[in-house]
Amino acid sequence: QITLKESGPTLVKPTQTLTLTCSFSGFSLSTSGVGVGWIRQPPGKALEWLALIYWDDDKHYSPSLKSRLTITKDTSKDQVVLTMTNMDPVDTATYYCAHIPTRFNWNYLNDWGQGILVTVSS
Amino acid sequence: DIQMTQSPSSLSASVGDRVTITCRASQRMSSFLNWYQQKPGKAPRLLIYAASILQSGVPSRFSGSGSGTDFTLTISSLQPEDFATYYCLQSFRTPLTFGGGTRVEIK
Repeated sequence: QITLKESGPTLVKPTQTLTLTCSFSGFSLSTSGVGVGWIRQPPGKALEWLALIYWDDDKHYSPSLKSRLTITKDTSKDQVVLTMTNMDPVDTATYYCAHIPTRFNWNYLNDWGQGILVTVSS
Repeated sequence: DIQMTQSPSSLSASVGDRVTITCRASQRMSSFLNWYQQKPGKAPRLLIYAASILQSGVPSRFSGSGSGTDFTLTISSLQPEDFATYYCLQSFRTPLTFGGGTRVEIK
């Protein structure tokens, strides 16, 4: 059974850096083809893809947020970390991580974490 | 970037109705199109991947079709538990992009 869970602060101040951790089980990020992605959803709005990282450390970012995002993995801990700098109230959203079973076969986001609501406010 | 235009943005339907939601891509992308269902306060749930492959455990009343730029999600007979918001996602190339969502409401 695959599970993912996001953790991190639920309240950050403007200009601060947000660090979110995705802890997962049921798969390994050392397996060829596997990936983990981050997605966010502002309250009442649509889903927005942020970043993803593959087993071979290949990283991809949303062009509009690329300068603010960093994604890393710790295979030994089964974790993926997303950092977002210079947080603004418009970044208030539920942040999700999700599992990509394989980039070689349709590259889709399969299992998702429960999400973490991050509020940006002074 | 591949832009995904999803329509309609909302619809009202009754239990038992046949419902169709479409996504149009700004460029051809084979069958790299996936459909998700999201209920309030919950994470999205994968329904269909590769345009037409039903994810394990998803009821057979859900089906997907299309290739290239035009894709469709069909619910053959709407059930009470199907009232939710549906999103398409293209996974052909990064940046991955979602459609704007379709909210399915009770008539």
